Amino acid sequence: QVQLQESGPGLVKPSQTLSLTCTVSGDSISTGTHYWSWIRQPAGERLEWIGRISSRGGANYNPSLKSRFTISVDTSKNQFSLKVASVTAADSAVYYCARVSLSGLTDFWGEGTLVAVSS
Amino acid sequence: DIQMTQSPSTLSASVGDRVTLTCRASYHVGEWLAWYQHKPGNAPKLLLYKVSELATGVPPRFSGGGSGSEFTLTINSLQAGDFATYYCHQYNTYPVTFGGGTKVEI
Repeated sequence: QVQLQESGPGLVKPSQTLSLTCTVSGDSISTGTHYWSWIRQPAGERLEWIGRISSRGGANYNPSLKSRFTISVDTSKNQFSLKVASVTAADSAVYYCARVSLSGLTDFWGEGTLVAVSS
Repeated sequence: DIQMTQSPSTLSASVGDRVTLTCRASYHVGEWLAWYQHKPGNAPKLLLYKVSELATGVPPRFSGGGSGSEFTLTINSLQAGDFATYYCHQYNTYPVTFGGGTKVEI
């Protein structure tokens, strides 16, 4: 069974960089058969797709978001990561990592990690 | 971006009921429509993909229908474990987008 687990700080100060990591088990990122994605959900709002990355490191991002988001992959650790620069309160959300099939279907998700941006 | 609108936002039901949730897309998404079940603190779970294909392990009391831009999720004989929030998701066009959710509650 594929499992994904997000990790990172629950609290980040405004203007700092948020860093989250997703550890994958039950599948190997390096096989290249899937993309790996980040999605977030601010409180009371809908799920928002942030972006995805391939095993080779090619990333695509949601054009609606400003270019503060960076997704990277470490196949040796079977992990992928998200960095959000210059965070504000608007970046407070539950952040999910997920696996995406080549057809674009998000089939497995992590449980999510709550991030608050506050001084 | 393709906007996904779900209705109702909240649905009150009882064990044994048959319920139907609706999802409308602002543009045609073809067959690239999925449904997820989400319980607080848990990972969202894939229920259906390509409108009506059941994900592995999902019981057949869940069924999906529709085409183009209007879709439904029907749950027959609602069970206690089915009380959750359900999201539709289009993966026809990037950026992929999600509906606002329908909370099925007692």
